[in-house]
Amino acid sequence: SAVISQKPSRDICQRGTSLTIQCQVDSQVTMMFWYRQQPGQSLTLIATANQGSEATYESGFVIDKFPISRPNLTFSTLTVSNMSPEDSSIYLCSVQGLPGSNYGYTFGSGTRLTVV
Amino acid sequence: KNEVEQSPQNLTAQEGEFITINCSYSVGISALHWLQQHPGGGIVSLFMLSSGKKKHGRLIATINIQEKHSSLHITASHPRDSAVYICAAIPLGSRLTFGEGTQLTVNP
Repeated sequence: SAVISQKPSRDICQRGTSLTIQCQVDSQVTMMFWYRQQPGQSLTLIATANQGSEATYESGFVIDKFPISRPNLTFSTLTVSNMSPEDSSIYLCSVQGLPGSNYGYTFGSGTRLTVV
Repeated sequence: KNEVEQSPQNLTAQEGEFITINCSYSVGISALHWLQQHPGGGIVSLFMLSSGKKKHGRLIATINIQEKHSSLHITASHPRDSAVYICAAIPLGSRLTFGEGTQLTVNP
């Protein structure tokens, strides 16, 4: 079945710096979703990335802090900008409707970010 | 009140025990996922179901649409089943809505 590759799998970053997370899908998809999971919490949708248009951000998330690129139908990046310790979380990408998924959701392997 | 609620939050079992995790939701849905998250953070979809029952190996998922309730069962549990299990509903016309997760620990 189709696969999502996400990298890096983990990183430790200094406050004030930025980290870009990549998500590669082995099949073309219309929408890609980026989630944040803070320690001990459930997943929260950051934004939906569509190819050829600006990402749609959820309440509480802004483009300046979490810029997203979607250059084609198989790839997206999420940047966590000007990081602070509060950004320490697991970040996940997800898509819906990959071949063989029966329109279900498939998730990447996650990026565990620690900001010091 | 969350739209998707799971119980229990934490569950510790001995190897071989039968395990049940419950999920209740308050909105109309098109389907529901049971997800497994390992310590590294990656998430795997175990099941997506919209009615009845599905089985894969030692895992069984059931859903009752009328009662807005789903259960995940693990038979003959094993330490490698230790993970966070998340119920995620797909509301009609909307995006995934997640439960808080159940941390399962299976001791040898």
